[in-house]
Amino acid sequence: SYVLTQPPSVSVAPGQTATVPCGGNNIVSKSVHWYRQMPGQAPVLVLYDNSDRPSGIPERISGATSGNTATLTITRVEAGDEADYYCQVWDSSTDHYVFGTGTKVTVL
Amino acid sequence: QVQLVQSGAEVKKPGASVRVSCKASGYTFNEFYLNWVRQAPGQGLEWMGWINPNSGGTDFSPKFQGRVTMTRDTSITTAYLELHRLTSDDTAVYYCARTWQLAAARWFDPWGQGTLVTVSS
Repeated sequence: SYVLTQPPSVSVAPGQTATVPCGGNNIVSKSVHWYRQMPGQAPVLVLYDNSDRPSGIPERISGATSGNTATLTITRVEAGDEADYYCQVWDSSTDHYVFGTGTKVTVL
Repeated sequence: QVQLVQSGAEVKKPGASVRVSCKASGYTFNEFYLNWVRQAPGQGLEWMGWINPNSGGTDFSPKFQGRVTMTRDTSITTAYLELHRLTSDDTAVYYCARTWQLAAARWFDPWGQGTLVTVSS
């Protein structure tokens, strides 16, 4: 089955840029989506179809995909960006869904 | 607004079954698949399966095949997850989430608030 790999943690200083990678075999051929999960809360969609933002998600959050890596980027990081972030794809060969292992973004 | 509201926390003994409900509102229930995703304490998200509310058709992750049932009641726009033969490893928060589809892209939005299922003797 398809596997998505994320680093367990990423640390960033306020005002700087956080980059969260999501690795998967030829992930560029898939559509990647990202979720943010605050402690004790349900996940919330922050990016869909690689780089599109739902309404209410700031332009500071962006996404891109190339080769075997999809990337979520948060510029001008704020304390409120501290959360767990998960990537997700749909595997068309099985009609099943796969989540990445999740990355905790810590704002120093 | 589109909303998924789940049933309350459950405590079950090993070997028992649990049923979690997900009440949908704010959209046409039959037009969007619903998924179930779980999260064990301190762990990541794990997709369990989906149900087509229109047909009642289902598909499950191989990990749960044979131990999970997903049903729906269209008259009250509610989907149900049943997990059987519970063990302590099934202690988790269970979420329902609606599928959005655009060509070959499929994602989840919104999510229910989650239901904590605790399995303990």
